[in-house]
Amino acid sequence: AQSVTQLDSQVPVFEEAPVELRCNYSSSVSVYLFWYVQYPNQGLQLLLKYLSGSTLVKGINGFEAEFNKSQTSFHLRKPSVHISDTAEYFCAVSLDYKLSFGAGTTVTVRA
Amino acid sequence: DAEITQSPRHKITETGRQVTLACHQTWNHNNMFWYRQDLGHGLRLIHYSYGVHDTNKGEVSDGYSVSRSNTEDLPLTLESAASSQTSVYFCASSESGYEQYFGPGTRLTVT
Repeated sequence: AQSVTQLDSQVPVFEEAPVELRCNYSSSVSVYLFWYVQYPNQGLQLLLKYLSGSTLVKGINGFEAEFNKSQTSFHLRKPSVHISDTAEYFCAVSLDYKLSFGAGTTVTVRA
Repeated sequence: DAEITQSPRHKITETGRQVTLACHQTWNHNNMFWYRQDLGHGLRLIHYSYGVHDTNKGEVSDGYSVSRSNTEDLPLTLESAASSQTSVYFCASSESGYEQYFGPGTRLTVT
């Protein structure tokens, strides 16, 4: 069985400040890892993914994430956020083509 | 461009009625999924299909059914709608164990 824990349910942040969203997973086998973003009243959009290789993964809109196998973590970062980054962010793991999601982190960017 | 669509986008129904939510994808993906999104739970898998005539139960399948008669469509049926099934429903598709592509969602209210 696999599970995903997003350690922060809400993250308020000022514009142009950095942000880190924390994600830990549990799995007995190798998995693929993803971060999705959901803007208000929209579906989910892929931000980035880790399949294999380099543990630092770069995604769209200036986001990046680091896979840490020993700590079973996949934290998402952005060095400088914009108002438009206000959204809900989901970490997910894939096994047998199925995704298991964390509960989500709501990021609110303030001017 | 390939896409995944859901209809209706909003639905209000009464307790006990049968409801069917449509999902149509033009990616020609073999794998299709239905999730429900509820506050504090992220997205939870309801049913999934790996190909035509294949269907499988997810973690929250009670009260729901699906059928897969072609590659493009995976309709989700609520046999007898209950207030606990008020939620936002997302359909997704994928070709591999990599990322899933999500539809825009259907907001269902059961009164």
